[in-house]
Amino acid sequence: SQKIEQNSEALNIQEGKTATLTCNYTNYSPAYLQWYRQDPGRGPVFLLLIRENEKEKRKERLKVTFDTTLKQSLFHITASQPADSATYLCALDANNDMRFGAGTRLTVKP
Amino acid sequence: NAGVTQTPKFQVLKTGQSMTLQCAQDMNHEYMSWYRQDPGMGLRLIHYSVGAGITDQGEVPNGYNVSRSTTEDFPLRLLSAAPSQTSVYFCASSYSGNRDSGYGYTFGSGTRLTVV
Repeated sequence: SQKIEQNSEALNIQEGKTATLTCNYTNYSPAYLQWYRQDPGRGPVFLLLIRENEKEKRKERLKVTFDTTLKQSLFHITASQPADSATYLCALDANNDMRFGAGTRLTVKP
Repeated sequence: NAGVTQTPKFQVLKTGQSMTLQCAQDMNHEYMSWYRQDPGMGLRLIHYSVGAGITDQGEVPNGYNVSRSTTEDFPLRLLSAAPSQTSVYFCASSYSGNRDSGYGYTFGSGTRLTVV
């Protein structure tokens, strides 16, 4: 069956460090992989999208990698700040059917 | 520009009651979808639509109906509510060219539904 796993339900890091979140999947062939941020009581907010033929995408302090051989995406936040504390969701997009991982709750401590 | 608007924000239903969760977007997006979010399970796709008059089932469609008569609106109907449908429901929309342009979905702020 199809499965999306975000390793680490929770991740705590110190301000200024790089946070690395992992998304692994099985039995999927996504055309796109997306990352979202969700704050408590709010809807997810789109951060980055990477296509199956792209290895890496950057946006400001964010970086996403996508390895279709390993079936894995890594999401990095460099120079993390307490304001980056939130739950981060990965989503696999295949033919308009987008499925989400359960998310990783990131806490950045000052 | 309101984006994706969901109403109501909160709702309590009794088992067996019916109701419609409303979702409207003003961005002229062809694609719209409904998700439910439960603790520890992430977002699960209920139904989606790629345009007016076209709907399809997602991962957990049982107990829910949808229709898409206009581009702007995509209501979700619960015909006979059950306690298992207690959840937070999110509506999302996207322009069909968004992914090729590098953009994802726009989500509403959610409807928190409790079935007692």
